[in-house]
Amino acid sequence: GENVGLHLPTLSVQEGDNSIINCAYSNSASDYFIWYKQESGKGPQFIIDIRSNMDKRQGQRVTVLLNKTVKHLSLQIAATQPGDSAVYFCALCWVQGAQKLVFGQGTRLTINP
Amino acid sequence: NAGVTQTPKFRVLKTGQSMTLLCAQDMNHEYMYWYRQDPGMGLRLIHYSVGEGTTAKGEVPDGYNVSRLKKQNFLLGLESAAPSQTSVYFCASSYGTGGEYFGPGTRLLVL
Repeated sequence: GENVGLHLPTLSVQEGDNSIINCAYSNSASDYFIWYKQESGKGPQFIIDIRSNMDKRQGQRVTVLLNKTVKHLSLQIAATQPGDSAVYFCALCWVQGAQKLVFGQGTRLTINP
Repeated sequence: NAGVTQTPKFRVLKTGQSMTLLCAQDMNHEYMYWYRQDPGMGLRLIHYSVGEGTTAKGEVPDGYNVSRLKKQNFLLGLESAAPSQTSVYFCASSYGTGGEYFGPGTRLLVL
């Protein structure tokens, strides 16, 4: 069945360093994967997605890597800033008649000055 | 564009009371969703809609009903609130592929 987990519930990094947030999944049938950022008191915000037939996708300061062999997804944030402090969720997505998402539990990223 | 808006922002109910949460989107999205988020957990899908006049059950539909009478609105109803329904409720919308756009959430406390 669908199962999305995260290696670490919390991650602390120094401002300016790179952050890597990981996500493991068990279901191989996903059409694509999405990373969301959720700041305190707000709804999740779309960051970046990657199709299941890709292994890397880059955005502005973010890179998502997908390793389907070991069913692992990661989000890399370059030059972490205080504004990056949030909870990050990975989500698996299926498009069969309707798009459906299954979310992981989330990783809280804190930035140390 | 306002994006996705939700009303109310916060509500306290007594067990057995009913209420309706309203979600509105101005992006002309076909798909709309209702999720709940509990502490230490990700979002879980309650119900969703693939278009005006359609609804379908998600992962945790029991105790909730929905309606999509207009394309831009998606209503979530609690007929008889229970303490287990204390949560933060998020509405989202999408074109059907790609990311979903989330509202700011509604905090519901059931006493």
